[in-house]
Amino acid sequence: QVTLKESGPVLVKPTETLTLTCTVSGFSLSNARMGVSWIRQPPGKALEWLAHIFSNDEKSYSTSLKSRLTISKDTSKSQVVLTMTNMDPVDTATYYCARCIVGATTLPYYFDYWGQGTLVTVSS
Amino acid sequence: EIVLTQSPGTLSLSPGERATLSCRASQSVSSSYLAWYQQKPGQAPRLLIYGASSRATGIPDRFSGSGSGTDFTLTISRLEPEDFAVYYCQRRYTFGQGTKLEIK
Repeated sequence: QVTLKESGPVLVKPTETLTLTCTVSGFSLSNARMGVSWIRQPPGKALEWLAHIFSNDEKSYSTSLKSRLTISKDTSKSQVVLTMTNMDPVDTATYYCARCIVGATTLPYYFDYWGQGTLVTVSS
Repeated sequence: EIVLTQSPGTLSLSPGERATLSCRASQSVSSSYLAWYQQKPGQAPRLLIYGASSRATGIPDRFSGSGSGTDFTLTISRLEPEDFAVYYCQRRYTFGQGTKLEIK
């Protein structure tokens, strides 16, 4: 059974750094056909992809947020970690991690399993 | 960067009716990379369709996807009460802005 679960703070202050952890089970982070992405959704708004990490540790980032994001993984712990620096109230959102099925060229196809999401509020 | 535009923004229909949701790409894309998701309030998105027309595991056959090039469609043949939700299309790392399917 494939599961993903996000964990991290529910409240962060402006300018602080957010660290979120995605713990996965039912598949390996070393599987070449799979990767993990972080995706966020501000209240009442659409989904926004943030970052992705492949089995070979290759990473991709949203162009608009690249300077603030770092994604990493610990395969032995089945965890993927996202850090986002300089948090702002506009970053208030539900943050999801999702498993991504990847093609032979490492291009992402679709997200087949999602975590429940964690709501992060940015406020002083 | 390719943009996905979904229409309509809101679709009001009754149970039993047919729903047709559109996703238009700003330039031609491979159908292999086009997926659709359903999201209900307070829940994570759920994969419905991948590769433009393949149903994900456990998805009822009233859901179907079609299209190629720049124009893709999600069709729900006969709406059930549980189908009223927000639907998103996705291509690689880009999502559309969503279509809200509401009860008329």
